[in-house]
Amino acid sequence: DAGVIQSPRHEVTEMGQEVTLRCKPISGHNSLFWYRQTMMRGLELLIYFNNNVPIDDSGMPEDRFSAKMPNASFSTLKIQPSEPRDSAVYFCASSLSEGGDTQYFGPGTRLTVL
Amino acid sequence: SQQGEEDPQALSIQEGENATMNCSYKTSINNLQWYRQNSGRGLVHLILIRSNEREKHSGRLRVTLDTSKKSSSLLITASRAADTASYFCATVNSGNTPLVFGKGTRLSVIA
Repeated sequence: DAGVIQSPRHEVTEMGQEVTLRCKPISGHNSLFWYRQTMMRGLELLIYFNNNVPIDDSGMPEDRFSAKMPNASFSTLKIQPSEPRDSAVYFCASSLSEGGDTQYFGPGTRLTVL
Repeated sequence: SQQGEEDPQALSIQEGENATMNCSYKTSINNLQWYRQNSGRGLVHLILIRSNEREKHSGRLRVTLDTSKKSSSLLITASRAADTASYFCATVNSGNTPLVFGKGTRLSVIA
């Protein structure tokens, strides 16, 4: 298996632009997680899905952030409009289930908002 | 909410020495996991220890869990330069709740 795939790996955009991050989980995994990592705040769980259904989005910082999982093999995290403070590395991870199973992380998307 | 807290925040040792990192948590757990993150990469799972286990080994890794003290330690024996990375503990509370990660320990192994 190729592991969790994320695209793009790097994204540089200007404040106010829409940003879409993409994730393909490992085939057969039922849970998908979106994280944000910064030096100041560490690794933060933004939202997670189980069987394509959003379970907990309490970590989403603002309404500017939205996430979808239209099918078992694809998820997006969208920021609209983007702001400089959104600059971070965004990780997607998947696991067999939501309940504390090992999580497999993608390589991350490094987002820079100018 | 952040559950695990790693200690120390940073650790620098010579190649061949042992490295010990600690994790403390606040509430009862189902299991505790350790992950490694190399610079610029995603996290990689190292080892999982369940609440009814006290010690687990995997190669040069040894993990202990003391539920009475709500703490865990990760020992890396005979460290190598390639062990340089950040190490995170993650706890799982009861029920179907996802992992909660700490802020990590940055380990530097000097050749």
